[in-house]
Amino acid sequence: DAKTTQPPSMDCAEGRAANLPCNHSTISGNEYVYWYRQIHSQGPQYIIHGLKNNETNEMASLIITEDRKSSTLILPHATLRDTAVYYCIVRGWGGSNYKLTFGKGTLLTVNP
Amino acid sequence: DAMVIQNPRYQVTQFGKPVTLSCSQTLNHNVMYWYQQKSSQAPKLLFHYYDKDFNNEADTPDNFQSRRPNTSFCFLDIRSPGLGDTAMYLCATSRDTGGAGYGYTFGSGTRLTVV
Repeated sequence: DAKTTQPPSMDCAEGRAANLPCNHSTISGNEYVYWYRQIHSQGPQYIIHGLKNNETNEMASLIITEDRKSSTLILPHATLRDTAVYYCIVRGWGGSNYKLTFGKGTLLTVNP
Repeated sequence: DAMVIQNPRYQVTQFGKPVTLSCSQTLNHNVMYWYQQKSSQAPKLLFHYYDKDFNNEADTPDNFQSRRPNTSFCFLDIRSPGLGDTAMYLCATSRDTGGAGYGYTFGSGTRLTVV
């Protein structure tokens, strides 16, 4: 079972920041938060991951709460091409924890 | 660019007729995965290879098999496809199973239709 909870859908205006929330209240100390997205009819694409510190790359920022029970993916200036399903995934290592197990994700629709 | 390539992009097969989907990678990653994604659902892991070691998910039907003849290639065989096997099949690779930085790289998928 997926260890995360995400809203099923969100809308965002083009050019504005898109903030996608994720709850992972049962996350354990050695588990990371990963974000992937899947544009229609394509394979999932890695966006970013983090453990406890906030992370930023050329695609997005990841804000993780101090208790690590939730996080937010931020797309600073959303474009129409960012319309996709965004998956928040908790992943560790060792045993079966290394597997990437997808939940239902959030369908982000960026509107002109 | 190093990548994961799946062929064919689209495949139509008849009910009960064996079909093979292929995946190749230029990343030299140790691990290769196969996911099944049905319409409007999340990808579901079928199995993976760590080098030559095959690891099946508990709920993967026996109808699904896989081969990995070398590091670069991995095949998904469906011995007797049913209508319910119509789905997108995604191949992914990762450098290792351990370590937080080892993300997955996905191919574009093969959309299989069973008629």
